[in-house]
Amino acid sequence: NAGVTQTPKFQVLKTGQSMTLQCAQDMNHNSMYWYRQDPGMGLRLIYYSASEGTTDKGEVPNGYNVSRLNKREFSLRLESAAPSQTSVYFCASSVSRDRAQYFGPGTRLTVL
Amino acid sequence: QQPVQSPQAVILREGEDAVINCSSSKALYSVHWYRQKHGEAPVFLMILLKGGEQKGHDKISASFNEKKQQSSLYLTASQLSYSGTYFCGPMDSNYQLIWGAGTKLIIKP
Repeated sequence: NAGVTQTPKFQVLKTGQSMTLQCAQDMNHNSMYWYRQDPGMGLRLIYYSASEGTTDKGEVPNGYNVSRLNKREFSLRLESAAPSQTSVYFCASSVSRDRAQYFGPGTRLTVL
Repeated sequence: QQPVQSPQAVILREGEDAVINCSSSKALYSVHWYRQKHGEAPVFLMILLKGGEQKGHDKISASFNEKKQQSSLYLTASQLSYSGTYFCGPMDSNYQLIWGAGTKLIIKP
């Protein structure tokens, strides 16, 4: 069991460039999440998908879009990267929204 | 509103005990606790549901008082492996989990 996988592990972008972060889980979980974590801070929810076919905004959705491609995969897209989006991005999944969340290893993104 | 965790940081000797507190201003459905080691992803520890539930995980246990909207994490006879940052995540009835800022725990031999 791989659990939750994320690609890429590291990425450097220039301001204005776009990119998509990929996330997949093999635990047959219904709910998936995208978080960002800034240095020394807690996690902030960007978007979540309670179940396949649905997505909702979290605490900090501006500048991001998501796609729940199927039950396994949930991608996060930055259309026009800004230096304020420099952060570590974590994808997570859970059986349902009220249950334990399991995290991928993270993507370390730097926007110059 | 972000829950308040205290203390922000604590340094212990191996074998000592610690308590981490989490307080929310909102009515709670449950409280999640996670641990994150430096450079790694958060790892789930436990969930506490309404009813003053206490749960345990090795020598790590926790309590939840929904009337006071508070939860506490207890680490007894701490081990070096307990080092990391502990996050509480109170969850409201809409299943919105709001993460605290974390408590950094350093265990020295």
